[in-house]
Amino acid sequence: AQSVTQPDIHITVSEGASLELRCNYSYGATPYLFWYVQSPGQGLQLLLKYFSGDTLVQGIKGFEAEFKRSQSSFNLRKPSVHWSDAAEYFCAVGEPENAGNMLTFGGGTRLMVKP
Amino acid sequence: DTEVTQTPKHLVMGMTNKKSLKCEQHMGHRAMYWYKQKAKKPPELMFVYSYEKLSINESVPSRFSPECPNSSLLNLHLHALQPEDSALYLCASSQEGTGGFYNEQFFGPGTRLTVL
Repeated sequence: AQSVTQPDIHITVSEGASLELRCNYSYGATPYLFWYVQSPGQGLQLLLKYFSGDTLVQGIKGFEAEFKRSQSSFNLRKPSVHWSDAAEYFCAVGEPENAGNMLTFGGGTRLMVKP
Repeated sequence: DTEVTQTPKHLVMGMTNKKSLKCEQHMGHRAMYWYKQKAKKPPELMFVYSYEKLSINESVPSRFSPECPNSSLLNLHLHALQPEDSALYLCASSQEGTGGFYNEQFFGPGTRLTVL
């Protein structure tokens, strides 16, 4: 069974600083990879996704992520964090061989932004 | 229209009440999902409907009863809930997948349920 690990439960960065959120997955083939953001009490918003092709993926709100097959990682980055980026971030993996389009979520990383 | 809508946004109910959550999409998707999300946790899959038929039930208690009356609508009927059922309930939809091809799920904003 596949699994997704987000090693950092909480991260605090200063506004304007760079950000990297880590995501590692366990899956035999090339997975479909997603990053979602969730503000308190809100639903999930898709930031970006990787299905194939260029391993550096650009998303919304200035985020990007890089798929590294050798490290089984899909880390999320942003060069300059804004206070509005404070939220919960979930990495997720989709199984292409599973006809049910199942998603496996990581445990989430809570981002706090210091003024 | 690439939106999944959910009503109501908030719901407070007693343990003896019967209520329903509604989810709607007009993207032509034939797979729809219910998730439960507790605070500071990732979403947990509850049910999957494929072509209006229940295809996955993740051992959810019978006090949760899903219904898919047509390809655009998904309901979750609630009866005799417990306080620990208080959570954010998320609906999602996707194209129906076939082997070897994955279809992205689109999520609604959720219904915040409080059981007193």
